[in-house]
Amino acid sequence: QQQVKQSPQSLIVQKGGISIINCAYENTAFDYFPWYQQFPGKGPALLIAIRPDVSEKKEGRFTISFNKSAKQFSLHIMDSQPGDSATYFCAASRSFGNEKLTFGTGTRLTIIP
Amino acid sequence: DAGITQSPRHKVTETGTPVTLRCHQTENHRYMYWYRQDPGHGLRLIHYSYGVKDTDKGEVSDGYSVSRSKTEDFLLTLESATSSQTSVYFCAIRGQGASGNTIYFGEGSWLTVV
Repeated sequence: QQQVKQSPQSLIVQKGGISIINCAYENTAFDYFPWYQQFPGKGPALLIAIRPDVSEKKEGRFTISFNKSAKQFSLHIMDSQPGDSATYFCAASRSFGNEKLTFGTGTRLTIIP
Repeated sequence: DAGITQSPRHKVTETGTPVTLRCHQTENHRYMYWYRQDPGHGLRLIHYSYGVKDTDKGEVSDGYSVSRSKTEDFLLTLESATSSQTSVYFCAIRGQGASGNTIYFGEGSWLTVV
Protein backbone atom coordinates (compact mmCIF):
# COMPACT_ATOMS: atom_id res chain seq x y z
CA GLN A 1 0.00 0.00 0.00
CA GLN A 2 1.48 3.27 -1.14
CA GLN A 3 0.99 5.70 1.71
CA VAL A 4 2.57 8.61 -0.14
CA LYS A 5 1.63 9.08 -3.78
CA GLN A 6 3.80 11.32 -5.94
CA SER A 7 3.23 12.78 -9.38
CA PRO A 8 4.32 13.24 -12.07
CA GLN A 9 6.85 10.48 -12.59
CA SER A 10 8.88 12.73 -14.87
CA LEU A 11 8.78 16.41 -15.68
CA ILE A 12 10.47 18.59 -18.29
CA VAL A 13 10.52 22.33 -17.69
CA GLN A 14 12.12 25.12 -19.60
CA LYS A 15 14.84 27.16 -17.91
CA GLY A 16 13.28 29.99 -15.94
CA GLY A 17 9.95 28.24 -15.61
CA ILE A 18 8.16 26.89 -12.55
CA SER A 19 8.49 23.20 -11.70
CA ILE A 20 5.64 21.71 -9.65
CA ILE A 21 5.65 18.25 -8.07
CA ASN A 22 2.69 16.96 -6.11
CA CYS A 23 2.28 14.46 -3.30
CA ALA A 24 -0.70 13.06 -1.42
CA TYR A 25 -0.65 11.11 1.80
CA GLU A 26 -3.12 8.85 3.57
CA ASN A 27 -2.00 8.64 7.18
CA THR A 28 -3.45 11.58 9.11
CA ALA A 29 -0.90 10.95 11.88
CA PHE A 30 1.90 12.19 9.62
CA ASP A 31 3.14 15.57 10.76
CA TYR A 32 6.51 16.01 9.07
CA PHE A 33 6.82 16.37 5.30
CA PRO A 34 10.29 16.70 3.77
CA TRP A 35 11.43 16.86 0.19
CA TYR A 36 14.67 15.22 -0.88
CA GLN A 37 16.80 15.96 -3.93
CA GLN A 38 18.95 13.30 -5.51
CA PHE A 39 21.60 13.68 -8.20
CA PRO A 40 22.77 10.69 -10.24
CA GLY A 41 25.15 8.46 -8.32
CA LYS A 42 24.49 10.22 -5.03
CA GLY A 43 22.33 9.68 -2.00
CA PRO A 44 19.18 11.76 -1.47
CA ALA A 45 19.71 15.02 0.42
CA LEU A 46 17.15 17.02 2.36
CA LEU A 47 15.98 20.02 0.37
CA ILE A 48 13.17 21.55 2.44
CA ALA A 49 10.61 20.34 4.98
CA ILE A 50 7.30 21.51 6.41
CA ARG A 51 5.03 20.74 9.36
CA PRO A 52 1.23 21.00 9.12
CA ASP A 53 0.97 24.05 11.37
CA VAL A 54 1.85 26.22 8.35
CA SER A 55 0.47 26.19 4.82
CA GLU A 56 3.62 27.30 3.05
CA LYS A 57 7.37 27.34 3.57
CA LYS A 58 9.82 29.06 1.30
CA GLU A 59 13.59 28.69 1.08
CA GLY A 60 15.12 30.58 -1.79
CA ARG A 61 13.58 29.35 -5.04
CA PHE A 62 12.00 26.34 -3.35
CA THR A 63 8.52 26.46 -1.79
CA ILE A 64 6.41 23.78 -0.14
CA SER A 65 2.66 24.31 -0.21
CA PHE A 66 0.66 22.23 2.25
CA ASN A 67 -3.09 21.51 2.27
CA LYS A 68 -3.98 19.61 5.43
CA SER A 69 -7.67 19.10 4.62
CA ALA A 70 -6.84 17.60 1.23
CA LYS A 71 -3.85 15.68 2.61
CA GLN A 72 -1.68 17.05 -0.17
CA PHE A 73 1.60 18.92 -0.39
CA SER A 74 3.62 20.15 -3.30
CA LEU A 75 7.07 21.42 -4.18
CA HIS A 76 7.41 24.51 -6.36
CA ILE A 77 10.75 25.42 -7.90
CA MET A 78 10.71 28.98 -9.17
CA ASP A 79 13.03 30.18 -11.95
CA SER A 80 14.09 26.58 -12.60
CA GLN A 81 17.73 26.13 -13.60
CA PRO A 82 19.60 23.31 -15.35
CA GLY A 83 21.34 22.60 -12.04
CA ASP A 84 17.96 21.70 -10.58
CA SER A 85 17.79 18.67 -12.87
CA ALA A 86 17.57 15.78 -10.43
CA THR A 87 15.17 13.29 -8.95
CA TYR A 88 12.92 14.64 -6.22
CA PHE A 89 11.26 12.58 -3.52
CA CYS A 90 8.54 13.64 -1.16
CA ALA A 91 8.25 11.86 2.17
CA ALA A 92 6.19 11.84 5.32
CA SER A 93 6.50 10.66 8.89
CA ARG A 94 5.40 11.30 12.41
CA SER A 95 7.70 13.43 14.51
CA PHE A 96 7.95 11.54 17.71
CA GLY A 97 9.79 8.39 18.66
CA ASN A 98 11.53 6.33 16.07
CA GLU A 99 9.24 7.34 13.27
CA LYS A 100 10.37 6.24 9.86
CA LEU A 101 10.10 8.19 6.64
CA THR A 102 7.71 6.89 4.01
CA PHE A 103 8.78 8.04 0.56
CA GLY A 104 6.95 8.78 -2.65
CA THR A 105 8.09 7.08 -5.83
CA GLY A 106 10.11 10.04 -7.10
CA THR A 107 9.97 12.59 -9.93
CA ARG A 108 12.76 12.94 -12.45
CA LEU A 109 13.00 16.63 -13.27
CA THR A 110 14.81 17.85 -16.37
CA ILE A 111 15.36 21.54 -16.98
CA ILE A 112 16.00 22.35 -20.63
CA PRO A 113 17.67 25.56 -21.89
CA ASP B 1 27.57 13.74 4.38
CA ALA B 2 26.87 13.26 8.13
CA GLY B 3 29.90 10.98 8.40
CA ILE B 4 28.30 7.97 6.72
CA THR B 5 30.44 5.49 4.82
CA GLN B 6 29.00 2.56 2.92
CA SER B 7 31.00 -0.42 1.69
CA PRO B 8 31.30 -1.89 -0.78
CA ARG B 9 30.09 0.82 -3.14
CA HIS B 10 29.68 -1.61 -6.01
CA LYS B 11 29.34 -5.38 -6.00
CA VAL B 12 28.38 -8.09 -8.44
CA THR B 13 27.49 -11.43 -6.92
CA GLU B 14 25.96 -14.70 -7.97
CA THR B 15 22.52 -15.94 -7.08
CA GLY B 16 22.52 -17.92 -3.87
CA THR B 17 25.63 -16.37 -2.35
CA PRO B 18 25.58 -14.41 0.91
CA VAL B 19 26.31 -10.69 0.76
CA THR B 20 26.96 -8.22 3.55
CA LEU B 21 26.80 -4.46 3.15
CA ARG B 22 28.36 -2.28 5.80
CA CYS B 23 27.34 1.14 7.01
CA HIS B 24 29.75 3.03 9.23
CA GLN B 25 29.01 6.34 10.95
CA THR B 26 31.34 8.50 12.94
CA GLU B 27 28.99 10.79 14.86
CA ASN B 28 27.39 8.47 17.42
CA HIS B 29 23.89 8.60 15.94
CA ARG B 30 21.37 6.37 17.65
CA TYR B 31 19.05 5.67 14.72
CA MET B 32 20.27 3.98 11.55
CA TYR B 33 18.33 2.73 8.54
CA TRP B 34 18.75 0.61 5.44
CA TYR B 35 16.70 1.56 2.38
CA ARG B 36 16.63 0.14 -1.12
CA GLN B 37 15.90 2.24 -4.17
CA ASP B 38 14.26 0.80 -7.26
CA PRO B 39 12.69 2.52 -10.30
CA GLY B 40 8.99 3.08 -9.77
CA HIS B 41 9.20 2.30 -6.05
CA GLY B 42 11.21 5.15 -4.65
CA LEU B 43 13.00 4.41 -1.40
CA ARG B 44 11.70 1.56 0.72
CA LEU B 45 12.77 0.77 4.25
CA ILE B 46 14.34 -2.66 4.77
CA HIS B 47 15.39 -2.61 8.44
CA TYR B 48 16.25 -0.01 11.01
CA SER B 49 18.04 0.20 14.32
CA TYR B 50 17.41 2.37 17.37
CA GLY B 51 20.46 1.32 19.31
CA VAL B 52 23.08 -1.39 19.77
CA LYS B 53 21.41 -4.79 19.34
CA ASP B 54 18.04 -3.06 18.87
CA THR B 55 16.69 -3.56 15.36
CA ASP B 56 13.32 -3.89 13.69
CA LYS B 57 11.82 -4.71 10.32
CA GLY B 58 10.77 -2.24 7.67
CA GLU B 59 8.31 -2.71 4.82
CA VAL B 60 10.54 -4.93 2.62
CA SER B 61 12.53 -7.01 5.11
CA ASP B 62 12.03 -10.49 3.62
CA GLY B 63 15.36 -11.99 2.58
CA TYR B 64 17.40 -9.52 4.63
CA SER B 65 18.86 -9.52 8.11
CA VAL B 66 20.74 -6.85 10.03
CA SER B 67 23.05 -6.57 12.95
CA ARG B 68 24.31 -3.73 15.07
CA SER B 69 26.92 -4.78 17.59
CA LYS B 70 28.50 -1.32 17.82
CA THR B 71 26.91 2.12 17.62
CA GLU B 72 28.95 3.03 14.58
CA ASP B 73 28.27 -0.03 12.41
CA PHE B 74 25.02 -1.30 10.91
CA LEU B 75 25.33 -4.37 8.71
CA LEU B 76 22.82 -5.56 6.13
CA THR B 77 23.05 -9.20 5.08
CA LEU B 78 21.43 -10.97 2.18
CA GLU B 79 21.60 -14.59 3.32
CA SER B 80 21.12 -16.01 -0.17
CA ALA B 81 21.06 -13.32 -2.84
CA THR B 82 18.37 -13.38 -5.52
CA SER B 83 18.03 -11.38 -8.73
CA SER B 84 15.14 -9.43 -7.18
CA GLN B 85 17.62 -8.01 -4.69
CA THR B 86 19.54 -6.26 -7.43
CA SER B 87 19.17 -2.67 -6.30
CA VAL B 88 20.84 0.39 -4.88
CA TYR B 89 21.07 0.22 -1.11
CA PHE B 90 21.26 3.34 1.00
CA CYS B 91 22.21 3.55 4.62
CA ALA B 92 20.83 6.51 6.54
CA ILE B 93 21.08 8.03 9.97
CA ARG B 94 18.71 10.26 11.88
CA GLY B 95 20.02 13.62 12.93
CA GLN B 96 20.21 14.70 16.53
CA GLY B 97 19.31 17.82 18.42
CA ALA B 98 17.89 20.57 16.25
CA SER B 99 18.07 18.32 13.19
CA GLY B 100 16.39 15.43 14.97
CA ASN B 101 13.90 14.77 12.19
CA THR B 102 16.37 14.95 9.35
CA ILE B 103 17.41 11.71 7.73
CA TYR B 104 20.88 11.82 6.17
CA PHE B 105 21.79 9.31 3.51
CA GLY B 106 25.04 7.69 2.55
CA GLU B 107 26.32 7.53 -1.01
CA GLY B 108 24.76 4.16 -1.77
CA SER B 109 25.88 0.61 -2.56
CA TRP B 110 25.11 -0.73 -6.03
CA LEU B 111 24.42 -4.46 -5.88
CA THR B 112 23.92 -6.66 -8.92
CA VAL B 113 22.88 -10.28 -8.46
CA VAL B 114 23.50 -12.40 -11.58
